[in-house]
Amino acid sequence: EAQVTQNPRYLITVTGKKLTVTCSQNMNHEYMSWYRQDPGLGLRQIYYSMNVEVTDKGDVPEGYKVSRKEKRNFPLILESPSPNQTSLYFCASSQTLGITLYNEQFFGPGTRLTVL
Amino acid sequence: QQPVQSPQAVILREGEDAVINCSSSKALYSVHWYRQKHGEAPIFLMILLKGGEQKGHDKISASFNEKKQQSSLYLTASQLSYSGTYFCGTEIQAGGTSYGKLTFGQGTILTVHP
Repeated sequence: EAQVTQNPRYLITVTGKKLTVTCSQNMNHEYMSWYRQDPGLGLRQIYYSMNVEVTDKGDVPEGYKVSRKEKRNFPLILESPSPNQTSLYFCASSQTLGITLYNEQFFGPGTRLTVL
Repeated sequence: QQPVQSPQAVILREGEDAVINCSSSKALYSVHWYRQKHGEAPIFLMILLKGGEQKGHDKISASFNEKKQQSSLYLTASQLSYSGTYFCGTEIQAGGTSYGKLTFGQGTILTVHP
């Protein structure tokens, strides 16, 4: 089944404890992206990757790191989480058309993160 | 810069029509529309590119006015399943190409009653 998986789905942690949220897709998509969703603010892009070894900042990259060493995986790293990073996180992937983002994004199920 | 969606919320009876608007202050390369039901992941509805190309579900229609940097999503003969939050995402035009940076609006909550 074509899908985007995220782990963990739920996480409660404490301020300053490094964590990684994994994202994996099995559709051979070039494009992958991370979003956070907060009430009233919609979806905000954190980082995106047009292909392996190519990553760029979205609108809210502060406090986050990503890497794209393999096509299928795009982990989100919080080196020192803070309470303002409590949010619902979505990973998404898409097939690009050349260098154009012209296909639907498939979203993972989401990871609900709480930082105490 | 986050696009502005209007209205913020709309309530319909089954069979009624609705229009959701998305406006940007920047020149746009593309507009993406998604629907999200509570507690679920967003689902793709439509992509519109500058120049007129578009791709999406058959039952959904949308427009993209490049000069005004505005897009509208048209929901006709609404069904209960149309309920959810609708998001537009915009790609700013830069050098005539797409870079993958997508900025979403705050969302429009659509409720369809029987």
